[in-house]
Amino acid sequence: ETGVTQTPRHLVMGMTNKKSLKCEQHLGHNAMYWYKQSAKKPLELMFVYNFKEQTENNSVPSRFSPECPNSSHLFLHLHTLQPEDSALYLCASSPRLAGSVSYEQYFGPGTRLTVT
Amino acid sequence: SQKIEQNSEALNIQEGKTATLTCNYTNYSPAYLQWYRQDPGRGPVFLLLIRENEKEKRKERLKVTFDTTLKQSLFHITASQPADSATYLCALVSDSNYQLIWGAGTKLIIKP
Repeated sequence: ETGVTQTPRHLVMGMTNKKSLKCEQHLGHNAMYWYKQSAKKPLELMFVYNFKEQTENNSVPSRFSPECPNSSHLFLHLHTLQPEDSALYLCASSPRLAGSVSYEQYFGPGTRLTVT
Repeated sequence: SQKIEQNSEALNIQEGKTATLTCNYTNYSPAYLQWYRQDPGRGPVFLLLIRENEKEKRKERLKVTFDTTLKQSLFHITASQPADSATYLCALVSDSNYQLIWGAGTKLIIKP
């Protein structure tokens, strides 16, 4: 596997379910990101991890819980979601956090989530 | 608040012509601007990065300009091909937390 992989690619879940999204990067990067992408809207940054430490949580509801066990793996645990949470969830990585330099980000294919 | 605007209407261009996409921003003094391509059902793919002190950047058939006075970036694809059809996203580095802030993207359709 190369680049950034995400599983599952599609997920349908009820509002009372618990599920997890998985992301793995094979690029040796140190920073990983979760984004939400809804139709016709800009990417919304949800969480940022740098060297396994969470550095950003953009006011994301607690029904989304991230986990980063190491620099290569990132999870997004989902529970009691709402229909408005249906979206494409994208994972990305970059060599390191931006700081004063803007590094390009490498994205996975995303998980298309539908909450019924 | 910081805001990025891209034309929400799809841009239809005849094959072989130059396609030009616009990215405008407000309440910003970004040091960097990035352009990405996104195909349906896929994640964005990085294309080009331009710094505030660079007026223009080129990569093969792609050209990006960055006008900090107008607060605008233009993205050009010359000799466009149907395979260039995709949604193109611009992103700026936030000057508060250095994270990327994204435009909603412009869908480009190249007609044969």
